[in-house]
Amino acid sequence: DIQMTQSPSSLSASVGDRVTITCRASQSISNYLNWYQQKPGKAPKLLIYAASTLQGGVPSRFSGSGSGTDFTLTISSLQPEDFATYYCQQSYSNFWTFGQGTKVEIK
Amino acid sequence: QVQLVQSGAEVKKPGASVKVSCEASGYTFTGYYIHWVRQAPGQGLEWMGRINCNTGGTDYAQKFQGRVTMTRDTSISTAYMELSSLRSDDTAVYYCARRGGMGHGDNNYYYMDFWAKGTTVTVSS
Repeated sequence: DIQMTQSPSSLSASVGDRVTITCRASQSISNYLNWYQQKPGKAPKLLIYAASTLQGGVPSRFSGSGSGTDFTLTISSLQPEDFATYYCQQSYSNFWTFGQGTKVEIK
Repeated sequence: QVQLVQSGAEVKKPGASVKVSCEASGYTFTGYYIHWVRQAPGQGLEWMGRINCNTGGTDYAQKFQGRVTMTRDTSISTAYMELSSLRSDDTAVYYCARRGGMGHGDNNYYYMDFWAKGTTVTVSS
């Protein structure tokens, strides 16, 4: 299985901050990388697919980059509704895997 | 509009089996895969496997091989996930999600674009 490792596991930030989350794959996955946001008690929501393509309806303050093994999710100016847990997920192989998640908390 | 509706919460004893359903509407059921993901209390997301709702073909995560069975009934646009030999650490919220996709040039990119609300499965003696 392809292992996905996110860092940090959690972070504290203030409204308006720029936030960056990193995701590393155990082997090259080209750009077959998706990002999800999950709020407590809710199902995950797709934010970005193909490493950098914003899903429809997702605010432009979210962006993704990377290829191969290293990827980033950036929130350019953190908003109150962005406090949540973020997961990366690879779709390179037939057996999908998630990162362990990054919890973004209010400072 | 696309909707996925799962069956209700379950409480099972260790060693038993559980079968969770996922009813799809608002799109052509046989044109997509359904994936199953679970989340133990306070933990992250764990991919369990997927089913091709057209052919019935499946892929299961190695961790669940031999314990999980994914099926579908195209006549009622419903997918099912059955997990057997339940243990206490199978206590989790189980989600079904539709596999969406987009072509970019020669490449097709897939992701989980619509999710159900989840089914809580509690395993306790």
